[in-house]
Amino acid sequence: EVQLVESGGGLVKPGGSLRLSCAASGFAFTDAWLHWVRQTPGKGLEWVARVKSKAAGETTDYAAPVKGRFTISREDSTNTLYLQMNSLNMGDTAVYYCATGLISAYTYWGQGTLVTVSS
Amino acid sequence: EIVLTQSPGTLSLSPGERATLSCRATQSIRANHVAWYQQKPGQVPRLLIYDVSTRATGIPDRFSGSGSGTDFTLTVSRLEPEDFAVYYCHQLGESPLTFGGGTTVEIK
Repeated sequence: EVQLVESGGGLVKPGGSLRLSCAASGFAFTDAWLHWVRQTPGKGLEWVARVKSKAAGETTDYAAPVKGRFTISREDSTNTLYLQMNSLNMGDTAVYYCATGLISAYTYWGQGTLVTVSS
Repeated sequence: EIVLTQSPGTLSLSPGERATLSCRATQSIRANHVAWYQQKPGQVPRLLIYDVSTRATGIPDRFSGSGSGTDFTLTVSRLEPEDFAVYYCHQLGESPLTFGGGTTVEIK
């Protein structure tokens, strides 16, 4: 059974930092392209970042609003995906999901972790 | 960045009716990497369709996807009570990846 379990969310002040983790199991993690997607409560989905597999160069991509502030990374030895978030602002308040599956779609989603940026 | 515009914003229909949801892109989507997800309140999104028209595992055949280039459609042939939800299109053909704003299918 595929499992994606996010952790690390919480309340942080504007300008602060947070690191999210996503522990994965039940699929070939090393072959997977991994993503972070966020959703503001009551609003739509927003893609945040992607890291490709090592075989694909482990390249990373970011959405414009987070580029230069967020860093996505993966640790294949422990089947864990990370999102380091710096210089957080109120616009970053959202539920953050890790997602993976096909190159062209997300068959698997975690349950999400809530990040609240507030003074 | 490819912007995806979904229409209508809200679709009010009765069970048994046909739902047609549109997703229009500002430029052609490479490799037809367009997916559709369904999300119900309090739940994570569920993949329905990928690569424009391929149904995901376990998705009933009343859901179908079509389109090419910049115009894509999700059709639900006969709405069941459990189909009332929010639907999102998603393009994974070009970075940055993007989602549409969603279409809510509500009970009339």
